[in-house]
Amino acid sequence: EAAVTQSPRNKVAVTGGKVTLSCNQTNNHNNMYWYRQDTGHGLRLIHYSYGAGSTEKGDIPDGYKASRPSQENFSLILELATPSQTSVYFCASGDARGNTEVFFGKGTRLTVV
Amino acid sequence: QEKVQQSPESLIVPEGAMSSLNCTFSNSASQSIWWYQQHPGKGPEALISIFSNGNKKEGRLTVYLNRASLHVSLHIRDSQPSDSAVYLCAVRGQGKLIFGQGTKLSIKP
Repeated sequence: EAAVTQSPRNKVAVTGGKVTLSCNQTNNHNNMYWYRQDTGHGLRLIHYSYGAGSTEKGDIPDGYKASRPSQENFSLILELATPSQTSVYFCASGDARGNTEVFFGKGTRLTVV
Repeated sequence: QEKVQQSPESLIVPEGAMSSLNCTFSNSASQSIWWYQQHPGKGPEALISIFSNGNKKEGRLTVYLNRASLHVSLHIRDSQPSDSAVYLCAVRGQGKLIFGQGTKLSIKP
């Protein structure tokens, strides 16, 4: 079964601090995604990747960086965390073919105080 | 930039009735349309997808796609309390998966 693992599951960070959210997939999928979910907004795409070494900007990339050092791992980095980045973050992976399912992790709840 | 809009925002349906959810999207060339289900505190899980105009049926679920009108709908027959969840419409294309804001479905026993 497709597996996407996020860590940590919960995080409290201070304003101005650096936060790294990690994601690992064992599906050998080329594409990986980072989303945030806020009430009333559904899931909004922050960054995505086509494979190791590649990162692309999604619809709301400001304030976020991404890193894809390997096929399995995709990180989301908040260099200077702000309270507006308090949210639930989801990582996902999917095959490059557009007619296949994208699988999601369980989410990371980030609170910036 | 792909835009995905869902309606209604919330829906209350009696147990055993049909639930009908709607979604419009902005790019007729999108590769595939997906419906995801999300329970509180969980990640989204794919329910059903459609790629071509027409309809697709899987168990109690039926999805209709009309690319000319940029509209897709999901219908859940014989709705059960366990169907209560947030339903997310998503459009996949050009490497991205873009979501609507979701419909909260509540099934009342």
